[in-house]
Amino acid sequence: DGGITQSPKYLFRKEGQNVTLSCEQNLNHDAMYWYRQDPGQGLRLIYYSQIVNDFQKGDIAEGYSVSREKKESFPLTVTSAQKNPTAFYLCASSLPKGLALSYNEQFFGPGTRLTVL
Amino acid sequence: AQKVTQAQTEISVVEKEDVTLDCVYETRDTTYYLFWYKQPPSGELVFLIRRNSFDEQNEISGRYSWNFQKSTSSFNFTITASQVVDSAVYFCALSEERAQKLVFGQGTRLTINP
Repeated sequence: DGGITQSPKYLFRKEGQNVTLSCEQNLNHDAMYWYRQDPGQGLRLIYYSQIVNDFQKGDIAEGYSVSREKKESFPLTVTSAQKNPTAFYLCASSLPKGLALSYNEQFFGPGTRLTVL
Repeated sequence: AQKVTQAQTEISVVEKEDVTLDCVYETRDTTYYLFWYKQPPSGELVFLIRRNSFDEQNEISGRYSWNFQKSTSSFNFTITASQVVDSAVYFCALSEERAQKLVFGQGTRLTINP
């Protein structure tokens, strides 16, 4: 089955520690995204990547870092510089721009709930 | 700049009632795309529909229907004969032609009571 996997489902971190959230997709999608969701709020874009070895900051990139070494993988690191990291993190992927049938239709993973202790 | 507003934070209805979720958007582009996603308690977002700005035809899919009106910049979602399984948070989202990202509304938490 094609889809997006995120691990772990729940993650606990001590203050001052970096932590990396995994996102893997086997949909052969070029574009991948990371969103943050806080209680009662919509999704906010952290980083996105249209192709391998390239990524751009979203609206709330401060305190986060990403890499895109493989098409299938887009890990997100929450650094100690992120002042309020407790949130629900969602990874998504989509086909590249230009394919009209699914332009910007994003498919989402199950999410990782990060709690800072 | 693109913006999506879902003014209804929470809606609660009794099963079998019809319910409409409102979505109002702002964009300067003439070409854009609108989406609705469902987020059940499990957390994963489920894609429901995509509409491009040149297609104002309403769409019906089973108990779900969508009303797109460019004149009022709205893309409302109606569930007919609601069921308990429809309980979820629903998000409306917008993507401009030139942008490579989605902008989401705040979401509407819909609770269907038996």
